[in-house]
Amino acid sequence: QTVVTQEPSLTVSPGGTVTLTCASSTGAVTSGHYPSWFQQKPGQAPRALIYSTGNKHSWTPARFSGSLLGGKAALTLSGVQPEDEADYYCLLYYGGAGVFGGGTKVTVL
Amino acid sequence: EVQLVESGGGLVTPGGSLRLSCAASGFTFSDAWMTWVRQAPGKGLEWVGRIKSKIDGGTTDYAAPVKGRFTISRDDSKNTLYLQIYSLKIEDTAVYYCTTSRGYWGQGTLVTVSS
Repeated sequence: QTVVTQEPSLTVSPGGTVTLTCASSTGAVTSGHYPSWFQQKPGQAPRALIYSTGNKHSWTPARFSGSLLGGKAALTLSGVQPEDEADYYCLLYYGGAGVFGGGTKVTVL
Repeated sequence: EVQLVESGGGLVTPGGSLRLSCAASGFTFSDAWMTWVRQAPGKGLEWVGRIKSKIDGGTTDYAAPVKGRFTISRDDSKNTLYLQIYSLKIEDTAVYYCTTSRGYWGQGTLVTVSS
């Protein structure tokens, strides 16, 4: 069974930069996995941030960016704001089926 | 304005069946690939399955844990996505979300499986 792994938790200071990663148990993550990223705050539905590695939705703040880094998908938050405190999930596709990572809880402190 | 409204959730006994619906508006539903995602209480997101647009074949893909028990379908004339769940298990208890290929999400519908 394919496993997608994310950091369980990360802490960042307001105004700082943090990079979340998303690794695949099958090997290097590539653009062919169509990595996407989602933000979820308590009690809310998830919100899509990034699709196909680095493409932003119209509502995605400029401080969020997606990339491939060292064989993993990555989500970088630059100039972190207090409202960025949330859970972040990556999603990878393997053929037709998707697999979410376990999520990263980002604390802004 | 894009809207996705899930319905059909509720309390079901193990072994039962349920059909969830997702009513879409504000975009061309027939062009959209639609996905179901679920989230068990206090847990992370789980990809359930996806249906492509008819012009792209209308085919479905499912996560391994639900293959054979879940069926995704769509009625483009009603702008509605469906998720039929058979032989419900306690571990199917979750909020079920529908999402579009363009990044829109509904608010979810809660399915509780309990005796």
